[in-house]
Amino acid sequence: AQSVTQLDSQVPVFEEAPVELRCNYSSSVSVYLFWYVQYPNQGLQLLLKYLSGSTLVESINGFEAEFNKSQTSFHLRKPSVHISDTAEYFCAVRSGNTGKLIFGQGTTLQVKP
Amino acid sequence: ETGVTQSPTHLIKTRGQQVTLRCSSQSGHNTVSWYQQALGQGPQFIFQYYREEENGRGNFPPRFSGLQFPNYSSELNVNALELDDSALYLCASGGETGELFFGEGSRLTVL
Repeated sequence: AQSVTQLDSQVPVFEEAPVELRCNYSSSVSVYLFWYVQYPNQGLQLLLKYLSGSTLVESINGFEAEFNKSQTSFHLRKPSVHISDTAEYFCAVRSGNTGKLIFGQGTTLQVKP
Repeated sequence: ETGVTQSPTHLIKTRGQQVTLRCSSQSGHNTVSWYQQALGQGPQFIFQYYREEENGRGNFPPRFSGLQFPNYSSELNVNALELDDSALYLCASGGETGELFFGEGSRLTVL
């Protein structure tokens, strides 16, 4: 069965510092990979996705993630975080064309002033 | 703004009761999925509907059931509520591009 492991449950970081949220997945077939962000008391918002093509994908608010097939990883990075980036971040994998997403347990990003 | 709306946003039920949660998907999205997110956990897949038929189910008992309607709306029904059913229930719709768009969720508390 597929699984997603987010290696850090909490990541505290100071404002304007770089951050990396780690995600590993297990799969033997082609996958689609996603990062979602969840602010308190809200639903999930798609941050970025890898479906095919370039292994480096970027979001509009400065986050990027790199698909690494050999290491089965899809780590999320941002070179300089803001207070407003404080949220829960979920990595997810979707196999083939099914609608089922497998989520990791989430990583709480805490940006401190 | 994902175009996916859910109702109600919050509700409280007692053990043994039944609940119906509703979702309105984006126009043109023929797939709708439901997820359960317990406090402090990642969302868990309940089931998916495609063109009004269930075509995938997670590890949830039959008392979790659903419907999808031609007008892009759907329902999640849970019978014989248990305390552990307390969670945020998320609806997601998707089209041909592969990603899912989530609603804000319905937070269910079972007492």
